[in-house]
Amino acid sequence: QQKVQQSPESLTVSEGAMASLNCTFSDGTSNNFRWYRQHSAKGLEVLVSIFSDGEKEEGRFTAHLNRANLHVSLHIREPQPSDSAVYLCASNMGYKLTFGTGTSLLVDP
Amino acid sequence: EAAVTQSPRSKVAVTGGKVTLSCHQTNNHDYMYWYRQDTGHGLRLIHYSYVADSTEKGDIPDGYKASRPSQENFSLILELASLSQTAVYFCASSDRLGFYEQYFGPGTRLTVL
Repeated sequence: QQKVQQSPESLTVSEGAMASLNCTFSDGTSNNFRWYRQHSAKGLEVLVSIFSDGEKEEGRFTAHLNRANLHVSLHIREPQPSDSAVYLCASNMGYKLTFGTGTSLLVDP
Repeated sequence: EAAVTQSPRSKVAVTGGKVTLSCHQTNNHDYMYWYRQDTGHGLRLIHYSYVADSTEKGDIPDGYKASRPSQENFSLILELASLSQTAVYFCASSDRLGFYEQYFGPGTRLTVL
């Protein structure tokens, strides 16, 4: 069964500095990978879905996928205090999503 | 706008009592899911359904039942609630055409005392 690990567990960045989050998965069988944002006590908002090796940009959010290294990352350009949230990565095989444990991001004004 | 709603948003239950969590979607999606979220575990799949009147076990189904009486509605039932079932529960929906992109509800915070 696919396992997904995220790092770091928590991250603090200054407003405007780049934030980088990482995710490693246990095998290369997944179809695609997704990054979600979860504000406190709220549901999950999908940020980026990436299917192929390389880069996928959605506004200030860029995902990088390297299947050979079993690694996907998320970079947040010019983070704002409103980006403070838990970020979850997930591997997707058909209907099934397997989630990582999350990175708690705090953006200091 | 497509949406997934959950009720109640929070609930306090007693050990041994019955709890029903409800989910409603207006996405016209085939698939619906129930997850639980615990600190340090991310989201884990409890049950899912791909058609009305049928449910399937996910990764952690023990202690839970599910019911899908219609395409729009999916319930999670705890027949005998236990302390270990204190968690936040999320419902989601998806379909094949959108590469199974899942749309999540706002969650239900369940506390079992």
